[in-house]
Amino acid sequence: SQQGEEDPQALSIQEGENATMNCSYKTSINNLQWYRQNSGRGLVHLILIRSNEREKHSGRLRVTLDTSKKSSSLLITASRAADTASYFCATDARGNNRLAFGKGNQVVVIP
Amino acid sequence: EAGVAQSPRYKIIEKRQSVAFWCNPISGHATLYWYQQILGQGPKLLIQFQNNGVVDDSQLPKDRFSAERLKGVDSTLKIQPAKLEDSAVYLCASSLGTPRDTQYFGPGTRLTVL
Repeated sequence: SQQGEEDPQALSIQEGENATMNCSYKTSINNLQWYRQNSGRGLVHLILIRSNEREKHSGRLRVTLDTSKKSSSLLITASRAADTASYFCATDARGNNRLAFGKGNQVVVIP
Repeated sequence: EAGVAQSPRYKIIEKRQSVAFWCNPISGHATLYWYQQILGQGPKLLIQFQNNGVVDDSQLPKDRFSAERLKGVDSTLKIQPAKLEDSAVYLCASSLGTPRDTQYFGPGTRLTVL
């Protein structure tokens, strides 16, 4: 079954810096979603990008999607301590009516 | 708007015992999901309901896991008998329609099997 795979697995940055994480997948998708999980707020949807979109913004988040390379990236600009969390990509594969989550990226933002 | 509610938040049992988790989705959400998240991994879908019908239970270990959605609203997930490898966080989520819609997750139930 298809599964997103994030890279790198763990990232530690200073507050104010940008954080970039990548996700690769194996088959054709309808859309790709990014979620954040921390102990305070659980798993929260961040952004969805459809297969016919190449880039999408939401606040300090920027997501790109390259369907030819079957990869996506999530950029968090001007990071804050509150951005400390695990970030998961999840793919909605064509012909497969479920979301498949990757293993997640652990991001630590140091104040 | 109230979020997805789950109970209990924590549960510790011994292997071979049974356990049940409860989920109340966001009002009006037709689709309900149960995920299992093992430490260090992403959530894995166990079962998906559309109203009170099962849409996908292909990854549910049916010899020990069962789930139902009463009247298309609340849902329970049961494990009987539990194994050590069932230790995980069990997440319930709901969405308006299909998995392509945003899924809203509950706080989860952390299960420890000793």
